[in-house]
Amino acid sequence: QQQVKQSPQSLIVQKGGISIINCAYENTAFDYFPWYQQFPGKGPALLIAIRPDVSEKKEGRFTISFNKSAKQFSLHIMDSQPGDSATYFCAASSYSSNTGKLIFGQGTTLQVKP
Amino acid sequence: EPEVTQTPSHQVTQMGQEVILRCVPISNHLYFYWYRQILGQKVEFLVSFYNNEISEKSEIFDDQFSVERPDGSNFTLKIRSTKLEDSAMYFCASSDEFVAGDSYEQYFGPGTRLTVT
Repeated sequence: QQQVKQSPQSLIVQKGGISIINCAYENTAFDYFPWYQQFPGKGPALLIAIRPDVSEKKEGRFTISFNKSAKQFSLHIMDSQPGDSATYFCAASSYSSNTGKLIFGQGTTLQVKP
Repeated sequence: EPEVTQTPSHQVTQMGQEVILRCVPISNHLYFYWYRQILGQKVEFLVSFYNNEISEKSEIFDDQFSVERPDGSNFTLKIRSTKLEDSAMYFCASSDEFVAGDSYEQYFGPGTRLTVT
C-alpha cells in the first residue's frame, strides 16, 4: 500500500527527444506527488510536483501528467538535453499525515545522447 | 540560496562502532528528515522530526538509531552499533511549515556516505 512503482529502470533518449517516466501508486491517501532529479554524488533536488486536484502541470520542458482514477502519474521531458542525464525519482506523500514522509519510486536512470 | 549541509561527506567505521552523522538544515525550516539510499537502490525514509520530537519513523529506524536537535541549528543521526547493512548514503532534508492546499518542498543535503567494514 505504501509502495510507489516506477518504470522504466533506465532510459536512453536522443537529444531533442521526449523522455517519459511512469509511476503508479496504491495508497489513495497520497496527495502530493513530486519528482526529484539526482546527479551522481548529489542529493535529490525537487524538479516539479503536483497535487491530485489537477491533471497536468508544466514547468518549462518538464510536465507531470496525473491520472487519479488510474492512480498513475508520469514525467515528460520535452526536447531532452544531455544535461538532463541523471536519475529521476517519483515520490508520493500524504499531507494529512502531517509528517511529510516521502515514499520514493525505484528511480530511472536517464541518458540523453548528443 | 540557502542549502542543507551535511558532515562528514564520507565516514568509514568498523562494525559495532557508534557513528554520528550531522546536518545543518535550512535555518527557518521546521521539519527535518533522514533518508538513506543503499547503492543503486531507491531513497528510503528513516525518520521525520518536528517540534523537538519524532513525528514518524520507518521500520528501518530501530533502537539502534536516534535523532537529536541539540541546538538551534544542528540535526544529528546516531547509529549506536553499526552493522554491515548500514552502509549507505544518508541524506538529511528539511522543509518549511505545511500550508493547506499548497505544495511543500523538501530540500536535501548532499549526503554522507557511510561505509561499515
